[in-house]
Amino acid sequence: DGGITQSPKYLFRKEGQNVTLSCEQNLNHDAMYWYRQDPGQGLRLIYYSQIVNDFQKGDIAEGYSVSREKKESFPLTVTSAQKNPPAFYLCASSIPRYSGNTIYFGEGSWLTVV
Amino acid sequence: QKEVEQNSGPLSVPEGAIASLNCTYSDRGSQSFFWYRQYSGKSPELIMFIYSNGDKEDGRFTAQLNKASQYVSLLIRDSQPSDSATYLCAVNMFVVGNTGKLIFGQGTTLQVKP
Repeated sequence: DGGITQSPKYLFRKEGQNVTLSCEQNLNHDAMYWYRQDPGQGLRLIYYSQIVNDFQKGDIAEGYSVSREKKESFPLTVTSAQKNPPAFYLCASSIPRYSGNTIYFGEGSWLTVV
Repeated sequence: QKEVEQNSGPLSVPEGAIASLNCTYSDRGSQSFFWYRQYSGKSPELIMFIYSNGDKEDGRFTAQLNKASQYVSLLIRDSQPSDSATYLCAVNMFVVGNTGKLIFGQGTTLQVKP
């Protein structure tokens, strides 16, 4: 089945460690995105990529890095994770020139830093 | 001023009533507008999108867009307890050099009481 796969679903790390969240899509979408959602908050854009080997910072890019070496993959690394309430990380993808850039989400990954 | 604003709620309606959810946005150049539904602990799922001024209906859902006033709304007719969720408004904002990025409001929590 076509879709967006995020892994792992739940992740625990110690403060100061790096952590990488995986995102793979088989929808043949050109654009991919990472959003973060904190408890009771809306979605904030971390990074987005319109094409392979190119990406742009979103509103909260500090402390994160990404790569886009393949169309299907857009991993997110949290560098030196800080202790905070668990955050929900959402990967998404779209065909930017189709349906007004409708994006579709993976199932999300919960990151807890202890 | 936030780029996309929603009343966080909760909005409480009785079963069978019409629920009205509102959203305003700041970028007059925005072209496409989306409503997503998010159940607690789950990723957002697309309800519908709208480009043109006026109404767009899909089953029990109607999206309304008024670009002059910069607001978009979602009406849910015959509300059911299963409609209880957080509703996210998203706006595709134009970005020079590419097709734009999707910015989300903080969401409105809807409670439908039996």
